[in-house]
Amino acid sequence: SQKIEQNSEALNIQEGKTATLTCNYTNYSPAYLQWYRQDPGRGPVFLLLIRENEKEKRKERLKVTFDTTLKQSLFHITASQPADSATYLCALLLNSGYALNFGKGTSLLVTP
Amino acid sequence: GAVVSQHPSWVICKSGTSVKIECRSLDFQATTMFWYRQFPKQSLMLMATSNEGSKATYEQGVEKDKFLINHASLTLSTLTVTSAHPEDSSFYICSAGDRDSYNEQFFGPGTRLTVL
Repeated sequence: SQKIEQNSEALNIQEGKTATLTCNYTNYSPAYLQWYRQDPGRGPVFLLLIRENEKEKRKERLKVTFDTTLKQSLFHITASQPADSATYLCALLLNSGYALNFGKGTSLLVTP
Repeated sequence: GAVVSQHPSWVICKSGTSVKIECRSLDFQATTMFWYRQFPKQSLMLMATSNEGSKATYEQGVEKDKFLINHASLTLSTLTVTSAHPEDSSFYICSAGDRDSYNEQFFGPGTRLTVL
């Protein structure tokens, strides 16, 4: 069966450190992989998209890697801040124009 | 950036009543909108794909007669939960993609439905 797995346990890190979140998937061949941020009681906010033929993407303090052989994406937040505390969702897009398939998300808590 | 709004942001209703949720793309046209449902500490689950001017496509297990979707224009899709029951209480979220770039989807703020 198809699965998207993210760290189920919350990730607690100290301010200034790098947070690394993992997304693994099985029985998918996504054309795109996306990361979203979701705050409690709010809809997801798009952060980054990476295509199947891209290895790495960066945006300010964010970095995403995509390994289609391992079927894994890593999401990094460098110089983390308390304001980065949220749930981060990994989502797969099979083809353009189709709906996203989401993981359950990983909760990140950055403490001062 | 593209903005998607939802109305209402929360609603409480009695069991057996119907509730309509609106999803609007404010600054772009969306030929396709998606409706998701999210239970506490769970992932977003796709309910249906809403296409402007045509019938919605429902995911397996989602009752189309209970969750009525109308996509009457390029900026508005509505989800009506008919004869709501307590088990329908959830967080309903819509998303839309710019018609020129489906890869990036923009989500509404969500609607919290509580059925008493």
